[in-house]
Amino acid sequence: DGGITQSPKYLFRKEGQNVTLSCEQNLNHDAMYWYRQDPGQGLRLIYYSQIVNDFQKGDIAEGYSVSREKKESFPLTVTSAQKNPTAFYLCASSTSYGENQPQHFGDGTRLSIL
Amino acid sequence: ILNVEQSPQSLHVQEGDSTNFTCSFPSSNFYALHWYRWETAKSPEALFVMTLNGDEKKKGRISATLNTKEGYSYLYIKGSQPEDSATYLCAFPNAGGTSYGKLTFGQGTILTVHP
Repeated sequence: DGGITQSPKYLFRKEGQNVTLSCEQNLNHDAMYWYRQDPGQGLRLIYYSQIVNDFQKGDIAEGYSVSREKKESFPLTVTSAQKNPTAFYLCASSTSYGENQPQHFGDGTRLSIL
Repeated sequence: ILNVEQSPQSLHVQEGDSTNFTCSFPSSNFYALHWYRWETAKSPEALFVMTLNGDEKKKGRISATLNTKEGYSYLYIKGSQPEDSATYLCAFPNAGGTSYGKLTFGQGTILTVHP
């Protein structure tokens, strides 16, 4: 079955540590996205990639980094510069980047601080 | 920063009731409006992408309408069932790069259908 796989489901970060969240899709989608959800807030866009080897900052990119070396993979690194990383992180993809393209989501990763 | 507002924040209905909720978005520079359903412990699922003023889309017992001139969309659920319990999200595409694929999401409406 085609879909988006995020791992791990739960992740704990120590102070000063970088952690990487994995997102893999086998839908052959060009565009991929990372969102963050905090209680009482809508999903907020961290980074997006329109096509392989390209990515742009979203609305809340500070303290995060991404890469898009392969079409199917879009890992997100939460760096030590992100002062409030505790949140639920969702990865999504769409056939192409455009206003008419519905996004398909993974199951999410919950990140907590130790 | 775009303002996408959903109301109400939460809703409790009895099985069999019909219900509706609202998504408000900027009426200028309209490109599309997305609706998603997010069930607990699952991933968000796309329901509709609406693009034309006056558009009405339907999926089973769920339908949505769109008024781009006044900047709102309604989502209707006819004869609610417990399995309709979920958070319903709307999202408004805005400019990013050379196209408009960046979505700004509302906070969602949490629907609980009681048996």
